[in-house]
Amino acid sequence: GQQLNQSPQSMFIQEGEDVSMNCTSSSIFNTWLWYKQDPGEGPVLLIALYKAGELTSNGRLTAQFGITRKDSFLNISASIPSDVGIYFCAGLYGGATNKLIFGTGTLLAVQP
Amino acid sequence: DAGVIQSPRHEVTEMGQEVTLRCKPISGHNSLFWYRQTMMRGLELLIYFNNNVPIDDSGMPEDRFSAKMPNASFSTLKIQPSEPRDSAVYFCASSWGGNTEAFFGQGTRLTVV
Repeated sequence: GQQLNQSPQSMFIQEGEDVSMNCTSSSIFNTWLWYKQDPGEGPVLLIALYKAGELTSNGRLTAQFGITRKDSFLNISASIPSDVGIYFCAGLYGGATNKLIFGTGTLLAVQP
Repeated sequence: DAGVIQSPRHEVTEMGQEVTLRCKPISGHNSLFWYRQTMMRGLELLIYFNNNVPIDDSGMPEDRFSAKMPNASFSTLKIQPSEPRDSAVYFCASSWGGNTEAFFGQGTRLTVV
């Protein structure tokens, strides 16, 4: 199936460090979303971006909608152990299509 | 709101048996998505519905898979006959159409032995 390219695949960091991950696509999206998935659970929405160039924060999380509409970035500042999980980007074509495609995921491990 | 509700949470079945996964979307949402998640392939979109109508089923792996949405509050994903390679976690998600975010259920972990 179709997927977005997400990097890095995994990150192992110390508590307190900042984290950056990104997502790229050959397609243009109208909306970019970032999700977090904990073990045994479904993905939970963290941040939604609706406009090219938009920069949005949710607590220690900041995400940006790329100007080209083909990429997005997620930053986590001052990581804590509960940030552990898999982070997914997702692009939404929107409109009549309304098709949500997911990235390959970034596994984040935070060592106390 | 109770969120997206999926059942069962876990299903173990023998190869060749029919499997039916169920989903109740969030009330008022008009788009519904079925995803499959595996270690090898990540989150794959199988099919999605808008206003109960299947819009894109290009992700359905083969004819053994079928999905229905008889009304706005219920959808099923059926595998017949099931095979071991169908083992995965299947997620249902719903959204209000257009450029809005999708909310996920907790998933059904399917194991075919």
